[in-house]
Amino acid sequence: GAGVSQSPSNKVTEKGKDVELRCDPISGHTALYWYRQSLGQGLEFLIYFQGNSAPDKSGLPSDRFSAERTGGSVSTLTIQRTQQEDSAVYLCASSLVGPGDTQYFGPGTRLTVL
Amino acid sequence: GQQLNQSPQSMFIQEGEDVSMNCTSSSIFNTWLWYKQDPGEGPVLLIALYKAGELTSNGRLTAQFGITRKDSFLNISASIPSDVGIYFCAGFYGGSQGNLIFGKGTKLSVKP
Repeated sequence: GAGVSQSPSNKVTEKGKDVELRCDPISGHTALYWYRQSLGQGLEFLIYFQGNSAPDKSGLPSDRFSAERTGGSVSTLTIQRTQQEDSAVYLCASSLVGPGDTQYFGPGTRLTVL
Repeated sequence: GQQLNQSPQSMFIQEGEDVSMNCTSSSIFNTWLWYKQDPGEGPVLLIALYKAGELTSNGRLTAQFGITRKDSFLNISASIPSDVGIYFCAGFYGGSQGNLIFGKGTKLSVKP
């Protein structure tokens, strides 16, 4: 497709389990971002990848959160030992060159931790 | 941490009315952005503002970047039912930082 895609669209897990969320950016976009959106809130920045450079992890809320970007394209956000407060919509975005460009968002993954 | 104060939180308007919402910050941003989010979708960029005082239109939408770089407003003229959704302002400092700072959103509901 032409846009950013994310999978799964919904994920329900039990507290303490690990989850992996996937993002496929727009082809050719070098920058990729992960955000978290809690109910009724704005988006909270998590992590930013720019090409092959070391990612900006300044937004990750704890060491249970990590992300990888393989081959400069697909990214996986991993949450270990999930907690109920991790329940949120996780949004991925990509942009052509960097943060100054328009960020195009995917539809998000709704994570529910029981 | 950095915050954008967005108001109002929600509004109900009659179809055809004009709408105004705004964002303020204690910090200076290089770029202000306005996004709209429909249920179950990611945000979609409506307008981007790059210069202090800049006034930009996109159809029925008009947004302005405040002179002090600490505020912005978004106006929607002659609202229609498809304007329903949540509108977010976002600020970007610039440089190598990757993050946008988002407001908490204005939920717009239109009475048909």
